[in-house]
Amino acid sequence: AQSVTQLDSHVSVSEGTPVLLRCNYSSSYSPSLFWYVQHPNKGLQLLLKYTSAATLVKGINGFEAEFKKSETSFHLTKPSAHMSDAAEYFCVVSDSSYKLIFGSGTRLLVRP
Amino acid sequence: EPEVTQTPSHQVTQMGQEVILRCVPISNHLYFYWYRQILGQKVEFLVSFYNNEISEKSEIFDDQFSVERPDGSNFTLKIRSTKLEDSAMYFCASNGPFTDTQYFGPGTRLTVL
Repeated sequence: AQSVTQLDSHVSVSEGTPVLLRCNYSSSYSPSLFWYVQHPNKGLQLLLKYTSAATLVKGINGFEAEFKKSETSFHLTKPSAHMSDAAEYFCVVSDSSYKLIFGSGTRLLVRP
Repeated sequence: EPEVTQTPSHQVTQMGQEVILRCVPISNHLYFYWYRQILGQKVEFLVSFYNNEISEKSEIFDDQFSVERPDGSNFTLKIRSTKLEDSAMYFCASNGPFTDTQYFGPGTRLTVL
């Protein structure tokens, strides 16, 4: 069965510093992996998706994620945090029936 | 850019009442889903729907829940007799053919008193 584990429930960074949100996955086959973002009182917005075409995936708002099969990881990064990046981030895996399995989320706080 | 829409944005109801949450998926999409997020918890899959029938449902999706696509555009989730524990944010999602990328609506916050 597919699953994802987000290693940090909260991450706090200063504006302008790098962001790293960690995610490990478990899958019996080559998975589709996603990062979604949820701003306060808003819906879920797709940041990026990995399908196997390239291990480094670029998303919106300067985010990117690297798929590392040997480490079963799909960490989300951004070189320089902006105040507007403060939100909850979900690492998600798609199972064979297309339903999405969400991680528990990482709340990103950005300090001025 | 096409998007998934949901109505209402907020719904307050009394325990035991029926509620219907409405969604309009992206127009050329074929697969539809409901998820829910209880406050402070993970987003959980409820049900998937394709070709006018349920494809898969979770353990949460018991006899109190039903889904319907009453016309060519709407996709509804009905809870027959709401319980306090049904209070949550309910998200509708859809995806087109040949892709598993799901696009989510803004959610309906359901509060059961």
